[in-house]
Amino acid sequence: GAVVSQHPSWVICKSGTSVKIECRSLDFQATTMFWYRQFPKQSLMLMATSNEGSKATYEQGVEKDKFLINHASLTLSTLTVTSAHPEDSSFYICGSSTDTQYFGPGTRLTVL
Amino acid sequence: AQSVTQPDIHITVSEGASLELRCNYSYGATPYLFWYVQSPGQGLQLLLKYFSGDTLVQGIKGFEAEFKRSQSSFNLRKPSVHWSDAAEYFCAVGARGNEKLTFGTGTRLTIIP
Repeated sequence: GAVVSQHPSWVICKSGTSVKIECRSLDFQATTMFWYRQFPKQSLMLMATSNEGSKATYEQGVEKDKFLINHASLTLSTLTVTSAHPEDSSFYICGSSTDTQYFGPGTRLTVL
Repeated sequence: AQSVTQPDIHITVSEGASLELRCNYSYGATPYLFWYVQSPGQGLQLLLKYFSGDTLVQGIKGFEAEFKRSQSSFNLRKPSVHWSDAAEYFCAVGARGNEKLTFGTGTRLTIIP
């Protein structure tokens, strides 16, 4: 139980394009979903928290117009990186939570 | 503000030896504590969690952790490590299980034959 999927697992895009990452809780309904960014050999940095049907709450320093989060249902949240640039290249991980946070396998984004 | 300290950046252990990974937290109320493991290029897998009750909690893969309120610690232990345990280990603390977590910087575990 408590399986979280992310799609795609790996994406390469050109600078200036937008990329959408999906996060799904497959066998449970998540009251809250979280989006993290992880740089090589570093810990997870929380970007935003989202609840179904509500606007996401962004952490300080995270551009909400650049990282668009939609939480359409209790099992699906999406992160769209708009007008991506090379500095947005990173490993993005979602967390889905009921009383415990479970994580997706991550999406590696490379912006050329 | 809540914080988590994992004092050991990298630990090397021989296969079959015992393991203890340290975690100290700072939190104003009763903490919810977690240990996660991450293999390279993968997401995080929950090893175990502490919400309340028995301070010694058992997790998956033979891991256990002990909550010591007086020391603000939640150390992870395993009596005999396997080569497959080589990974990055993260300790985390939160207000409730479904609220945002604060992670430590992680401890990288290397297993030698």
